[in-house]
Amino acid sequence: IVLTQSPGTLSLSPGDRATLSCGASQSVDHNYLAWFQQRSGQTPRLLIFGASNRATGIPDRFSGSGSGTDFTLTISRLEPEDFAVYYCHQYAKSPPTFGQGTRVEIK
Amino acid sequence: VQLVQSGAEVKKPGASVKVSCKASGYPISKYNIAWVRQAPGQGLEWMGWISPSNGYTDYVREFRGRVTMTADTSTNTVYMGLTGLRSDDTAVYFCARDDGATSSLFWGQGTLVTVSS
Repeated sequence: IVLTQSPGTLSLSPGDRATLSCGASQSVDHNYLAWFQQRSGQTPRLLIFGASNRATGIPDRFSGSGSGTDFTLTISRLEPEDFAVYYCHQYAKSPPTFGQGTRVEIK
Repeated sequence: VQLVQSGAEVKKPGASVKVSCKASGYPISKYNIAWVRQAPGQGLEWMGWISPSNGYTDYVREFRGRVTMTADTSTNTVYMGLTGLRSDDTAVYFCARDDGATSSLFWGQGTLVTVSS
């Protein structure tokens, strides 16, 4: 399954709302779609699993939605620490795959 | 739960590398371990996974024939070996616990493998 993320880069200010998209080349069964955040030089951090479930310790400003082939990660109000790269990841079908990433940068 | 990986490696083209991933806080036999790599400035690339309980492996086609994943339950450690190294294998290699339906919450800190003559 090929995952295509858009936009490639999102330029926003702290306090803004961020909407990131992830499109799949075929339906993602069981909504086995995750979102990861990766800050510069750090390990990927799981934000969302099962398309809409927040992982342990993730603030509620992060939310995931979607099903089938179209998924969205929304950050309701950007905090300074949210400026990072975000990857979607499908783990429904072998081999698991990642999108190419969306960079959220400070405007 | 922690996954602690071995240190950075510098290898020449054609050489082999073996990266370790030592788990603590749970027995590795309980969950699969996946390996993901990230070339400099690039995205995440899934390499494959191993079931430490029985040694079953599933490698992405691109790496078959070059990668070997093994597990040692006595030391709670998983290994990823890669042979025939090329410059485009230069990357940070991560291990991650595969939690099934809940994806991968726990990751190792990453191991930089540099391939250079």
